[in-house]
Amino acid sequence: QVQLQESGPGLVKPSQTLSLTCIVSGGSLSNANYYWGWIRQPPGKGLEWIGYIYYSGSTYYNPSLKSRVTMSVDTSKNQFSLNLSSVTAADTAVYYCARGSGGGGRYFDSWGQGTLVPVSS
Amino acid sequence: QSALTQPASVSGSPGQSITISCTGTSSDVGNYNLVSWYQHHPGKAPKLIIYEVSKRPSGVSNRFSGSKSGNTASLTISGLQAEDEADYHCCSYAGSSNYVFGTGTKVTVL
Repeated sequence: QVQLQESGPGLVKPSQTLSLTCIVSGGSLSNANYYWGWIRQPPGKGLEWIGYIYYSGSTYYNPSLKSRVTMSVDTSKNQFSLNLSSVTAADTAVYYCARGSGGGGRYFDSWGQGTLVPVSS
Repeated sequence: QSALTQPASVSGSPGQSITISCTGTSSDVGNYNLVSWYQHHPGKAPKLIIYEVSKRPSGVSNRFSGSKSGNTASLTISGLQAEDEADYHCCSYAGSSNYVFGTGTKVTVL
């Protein structure tokens, strides 16, 4: 059973870059059947899809965040990462990494527990 | 793109059935049979309970069922149980390798 675990700083200052890593265990990041994604949930709000990365490095980003998002994958470490630049308080959220399944990542069948990232000075 | 619209809260008594709606547009829910639903107990990882509108992953109770009509998808929980008390989120493919989630619904078991 695949497991995902997010890791990153507990606090990010406004205008800085938020960086998170998702470590995948119990399955290979290089499995061609899956995409690897990031989703966030601001306090009191719904979930928001941030984007996907494929093991080859192909990326797909939410148009509303595209100018600030960069995702990367490290198959040797079985992990993938998220960078979100120029953050503001509106980026405060619980950030989840998840596995996308079903051809193009049609649905998210495994999730990490999430990590809260406050943006504050 | 805008978030899909879900009711903020739905409640029911044990044993009853409840339905959660998820309303989008002809660019997302109405155009693709790629709606999924997630159960989320606070502090835990969200769990996939329905994919591709009405399919259930292995191990998910058959008390959960999904459907779609036009631009609105629905999740029905039958035989409501205390353990079903959680947040529920819908998600739809929105074209161009893009996905949109719903606003989320809190289910309360009375």
